[in-house]
Amino acid sequence: GAGVSQTPSNKVTEKGKYVELRCDPISGHTALYWYRQSLGQGPEFLIYFQGTGAADDSGLPNDRFFAVRPEGSVSTLKIQRTERGDSAVYLCASSLTLNTEAFFGQGTRLTVV
Amino acid sequence: GENVEQHPSTLSVQEGDSAVIKCTYSDSASNYFPWYKQELGKRPQLIIDIRSNVGEKKDQRIAVTLNKTAKHFSLHITETQPEDSAVYFCAASITRGKLVFGAGTILRVKS
Repeated sequence: GAGVSQTPSNKVTEKGKYVELRCDPISGHTALYWYRQSLGQGPEFLIYFQGTGAADDSGLPNDRFFAVRPEGSVSTLKIQRTERGDSAVYLCASSLTLNTEAFFGQGTRLTVV
Repeated sequence: GENVEQHPSTLSVQEGDSAVIKCTYSDSASNYFPWYKQELGKRPQLIIDIRSNVGEKKDQRIAVTLNKTAKHFSLHITETQPEDSAVYFCAASITRGKLVFGAGTILRVKS
């Protein structure tokens, strides 16, 4: 596709459940980023990948959060034992390289009930 | 780490007037300062950016100024139109991808 694609667009889950959020970056983009945006706030950096490896995961809030990008393209953000405080819009972005413009996806709105 | 503060949190202007949004950053190593526009329920979209080797950049009705010494940068929108209404975010970084965002400014342009 032409842009960054995220699925699902909306996800409602019960507290304590496991969720996976998927990001399809723009074809050819080597850098991929995950951000989290809470209501009324700016996006907050979680992790970024350069190729297949997580180059910086300093923004992951705790060890319930994990992300993978096994083939250097699609990435999955995984959240274990979800908590109500995890409710937010999870945004993915990609860029050709680390120092080129990052393009955002539409986000996945996660609601933990 | 980097911390970015953004003001005001909301801004209402009359159509045709100018709007100014200001941000300050803490890390003097930051050298890239983008501005994003986000409409309700949509993705953030880059509208203009500036690097620290430049003091001002303009693109039609939008301009950004940077004061490295004071560590602040501003977005200026002239001749505002109703379609400019959105949330605007500033960000600062030493890379173009790993960004630290401000809290956002809700801009309302009244017609």
